Amino acid sequence: EVQLVESGGGLVQPGRSLRLSCAASGFTFDDYAMHWVRQAPGKGLEWVSGISWNSGSIGYADSVKGRFTISRDNAKNSLYLQMNSLRAEDTALYYCAKAEGYCSGGSCYSHWYFDLWGRGTLVTVSS
Amino acid sequence: DIQMTQSPSTLSASVGDRVTITCRASQSISSWLAWYQQKPGKAPKLLIYKASSLESGVPSRFSGSGSGTEFTLTISSLQPDDFATYYCQQYNSYSSFGGGTKVEIK
Repeated sequence: EVQLVESGGGLVQPGRSLRLSCAASGFTFDDYAMHWVRQAPGKGLEWVSGISWNSGSIGYADSVKGRFTISRDNAKNSLYLQMNSLRAEDTALYYCAKAEGYCSGGSCYSHWYFDLWGRGTLVTVSS
Repeated sequence: DIQMTQSPSTLSASVGDRVTITCRASQSISSWLAWYQQKPGKAPKLLIYKASSLESGVPSRFSGSGSGTEFTLTISSLQPDDFATYYCQQYNSYSSFGGGTKVEIK
């Protein structure tokens, strides 16, 4: 089954750290860019970060730049988000999402829209 | 950063209505725009990509148009399953989402 399963969320105090994981299955993980998108309770979607198939291209939203680090382990079919210096405004449901793409001639290419999403993992930052 | 603005934020409509949602970008994004549908407690679902390309499996009553800075999502005849929140997303420069449009029952 093609799926993404997030884990690692929980309650954390302001200023502390948390690491989210996303386990992919049912598709060739290392062919695609992967992303994190979050949604604060009752609010809209916010793109957080994305990483290309080979980790050669990485991007962050301004709201998390310098505090969050995205990474991937293609051997483990896994995506990660290291979140440091957490703030109350980081409280949200964090989704892992797969970008559309294709591979040709030994390289992979992606447009950063998302054709597969996980169910999300909830991060609550509160004292 | 590219800002995406959707209107209206809430839309009341009846089954069978033609519904149009607008999304504006703060600068040109060519046709690098996607639309998603989200229902309560669920992950978003891709409907449209590259402004007007219908994702596989999505009903043909959904259509997208536009380029540059102004885009629309149209539902030609609203069905009961379509009451949800819709988001636009630009992917011309990294990514960003619009604030969402909730389509509710009139």
